[in-house]
Amino acid sequence: EIVLTQSPGTLSLSPGERATLSCRASQSVSTSFLAWYQQKPGQAPRLLIYATSNRATGIPDRFSGSGSGTDFTLTISRLEPEDFAMYYCQQFDGSPVGFGQGTKVDIK
Amino acid sequence: EVQLVESGGGLVQPGGSLKLSCAASGFTFSDSGIHWVRQASGKGLEWVGHIRSKTNNYATAFAASVTGRFAISRDDSSNTAYLQMNSLKIEDTAVYFCVSQQFLEWFAWGQGTLVTVSS
Repeated sequence: EIVLTQSPGTLSLSPGERATLSCRASQSVSTSFLAWYQQKPGQAPRLLIYATSNRATGIPDRFSGSGSGTDFTLTISRLEPEDFAMYYCQQFDGSPVGFGQGTKVDIK
Repeated sequence: EVQLVESGGGLVQPGGSLKLSCAASGFTFSDSGIHWVRQASGKGLEWVGHIRSKTNNYATAFAASVTGRFAISRDDSSNTAYLQMNSLKIEDTAVYFCVSQQFLEWFAWGQGTLVTVSS
């Protein structure tokens, strides 16, 4: 089973700042099968990035993803007020499908 | 508009059964895989299982925590997927989301339906 570990657990930043979220896998994950989601309280997750670096439909270009092997990164170049939320990475390279435990981006 | 709508959640006693539905619209349901993902209150996301498309022989797979107790089916004629949950445990209490997948994108999530297992 591939385990995903996200860091930090909480990221406290101000609007306009850059956010860098990390996702580390316990074994190599194909870049095709690594995704990132945003979730706000009381809402379903929303797909941000698929296949490591591809923005989903309607996702603004301040969101970007990168990485390979066991280390992946979600970057938000300039935080907007609506970006303060929980973020999860996900792998579906191996079974079972796994999610990281999440990184909360909150307002400093 | 792409949309998934779950229904069927509710309160059930331990050991009981419940069947959730996921109604899809706005995309080619028959070409899509359907996943179920759950989230306990204040916790992270947990994959429950999936059913592939007809092209992939409607293959299913499940998390170890639900194998043997849960089943997933689909009716492509009505664009609906189902999650049959048997022998429910207190730890199955969660919001259950259905999610559609095509190729590399898990592109749509339903709003979720709450399942509470309690005596």
